[in-house]
Amino acid sequence: SQTIHQWPATLVQPVGSPLSLECTVEGTSNPNLYWYRQAAGRGLQLLFYSVGIGQISSEVPQNLSASRPQDRQFILSSKKLLLSDSGFYLCAWSWGVPTGELFFGEGSRLTVL
Amino acid sequence: QKEVEQNSGPLSVPEGAIASLNCTYSDRGSQSFFWYRQYSGKSPELIMSIYSNGDKEDGRFTAQLNKASQYVSLLIRDSQPSDSATYLCAVGRMDSYNKLIFGAGTRLAVHP
Repeated sequence: SQTIHQWPATLVQPVGSPLSLECTVEGTSNPNLYWYRQAAGRGLQLLFYSVGIGQISSEVPQNLSASRPQDRQFILSSKKLLLSDSGFYLCAWSWGVPTGELFFGEGSRLTVL
Repeated sequence: QKEVEQNSGPLSVPEGAIASLNCTYSDRGSQSFFWYRQYSGKSPELIMSIYSNGDKEDGRFTAQLNKASQYVSLLIRDSQPSDSATYLCAVGRMDSYNKLIFGAGTRLAVHP
């Protein structure tokens, strides 16, 4: 069966510090990978998605970036965090067609102070 | 701007009752529809998917889709306190990118 893991689960970072969140998927190959952010009391906002190694598409302009160095690894980064970057970050995977179902990791809660 | 709208709630129902959650979407090209359950502080969990008009039942859950009205609903029969959570509606196009658009969610509270 397929599993998805992301870490760290919780982190508190000062404004201006760098960020690296990592996500890996097991039990499948060539999945679509996604980074979503959920601000407090709000819906999920799609940040980045990837349909293959080195292929990254950005949905929202911001100071975040994503990379996919391996088939089942997806990394979210920032060089300098802003207060507005605080939130619950969720990595997800999908086969795309034919079912379109999306499966989430455990999430990473980021607080920028 | 493609949107998915949900009533934020809270929707409060007594234990054993039917909870009815609703969702509307703006993109007429949408072909896939999902309901996720999210407990406080946890990640969303897929509970139902539906792709064609009509009803789809799975245990105590029934998803209903009406593409002409751009409307999706979730019924939870025999509601239990453990059903208390936020329910997210998600909508997508069945393409290779599979970018789902999520509503902000409806908070459900089931009281004993």
